Formats: sequence, C-alpha cells, structure tokens
Amino acid sequence: AQSVTQLDSHVSVSEGTPVLLRCNYSSSYSPSLFWYVQHPNKGLQLLLKYTSAATLVKGINGFEAEFKKSETSFHLTKPSAHMSDAAEYFCVYNTDKLIFGTGTRLQVFP
Amino acid sequence: GAVVSQHPSRVICKSGTSVKIECRSLDFQATTMFWYRQFPKQSLMLMATSNEGSKATYEQGVEKDKFLINHASLTLSTLTVTSAHPEDSSFYICSTSRAALNYEQFFGPGTRLTVL
Repeated sequence: AQSVTQLDSHVSVSEGTPVLLRCNYSSSYSPSLFWYVQHPNKGLQLLLKYTSAATLVKGINGFEAEFKKSETSFHLTKPSAHMSDAAEYFCVYNTDKLIFGTGTRLQVFP
Repeated sequence: GAVVSQHPSRVICKSGTSVKIECRSLDFQATTMFWYRQFPKQSLMLMATSNEGSKATYEQGVEKDKFLINHASLTLSTLTVTSAHPEDSSFYICSTSRAALNYEQFFGPGTRLTVL
C-alpha cells in the first residue's frame, strides 16, 4: 500500500541555519508526492510537488525537495531558516486522494 | 491559490447536540470538496469526498449517519456532526478542488470542535 513516513516529529534549528525535514515513501510505482505547510489558524498551503518530471523540485519560500528513487525519499530542505518558517510540515502521497504523513513540527530559534 | 473559508472557526457544544460546519469556496466553483479530521498532534485523515449534487463518498470507518455531508452548491459544503460526543472533539478541515486547477486541493483554515 502507498504511504509516507516522516522520520522526525520535531525539528529545531536556529535562524539562518539549514533545514532538513525527512520523508520516505512506500509505493510500487512512480509516486506523486507533495509537501504542505500548516501555520496555526491558517489553511494548509502547498509548498511543492513532485510528479515524475525533474527530481529536484523547487517550491515557495525558498524550499526545495529532491526525489530519490534509490532511497525512496523526498526530503524537504531550505538553506537558511527564517522565524516565519516555524510551522507543521506534512509530506503527502497523492493518489486518487491525499495520504498525509504524521507531520513534522519545525521550531526556529533566534 | 484559491480561497476557502470555514465557519465557525471554533465551536464548543454539549454532548448530544448537533453541530454544523460550513465550508465555502470563495473564488471558484469547486466540483469536489473534501472533509478531513485532525486529532491533536496527528495527521489529517480523509473522512469523505463530496461532489456537487451527489451523495458523499465516505472513507472506511467513518459513520455516514453521524457525519452528514451536504454539497448543495458549487461553493458550499456543510458537515453536520450529529449527536456529538466528547470523542468527536477534533479539528475538522475542508478542501476544494476542480479539474481546471489540475485537481490541486485548497484547504480551509479548519474548525476546532470541542464537545463537553
């Protein structure tokens, strides 16, 4: 069955340092994968999506993710964290419906 | 992206009462709307998918008689939690999509339901 696993429930970084949020997927065929961000009191926002085109996907707010089939991974990265990046991030498997990972809470310290 | 609103943003009710949550697509006509449930510190779980003018399709394990979904127009869907109990307390989130936008889902801000 298709699924995604987010390896870290919490990640803490200092402002200006790199961010890495990890996601592994399970699929018997080429997946369609998304990353969403959820800020308090706001709707989930699509950061980026992979749909079997380029393996390195650039998203909004400086985030990007690389699809690695050999590692069944789709990790989210950002070179330099900003305070406003503090939120909950979800890796999502897209089939005929969205299958959400358990989420990673990103904290950014000044 | 599209704008989706939910009303109310939070509601507290007594056990046994029914609560209606509205989801509105403000800037496009949504052929499909989805309802999700999110428990504290957990992921979103799809409850049901509704297409305008037809009955909702519920996910396995979701009681259709308890969670009534109405999608009467292309801009409005409602979720009614009937005879609510404390275990129904959760964060309910809707989303909208349509073919012209490649079926990308746009999410509302959510409704926090607390049943006493």
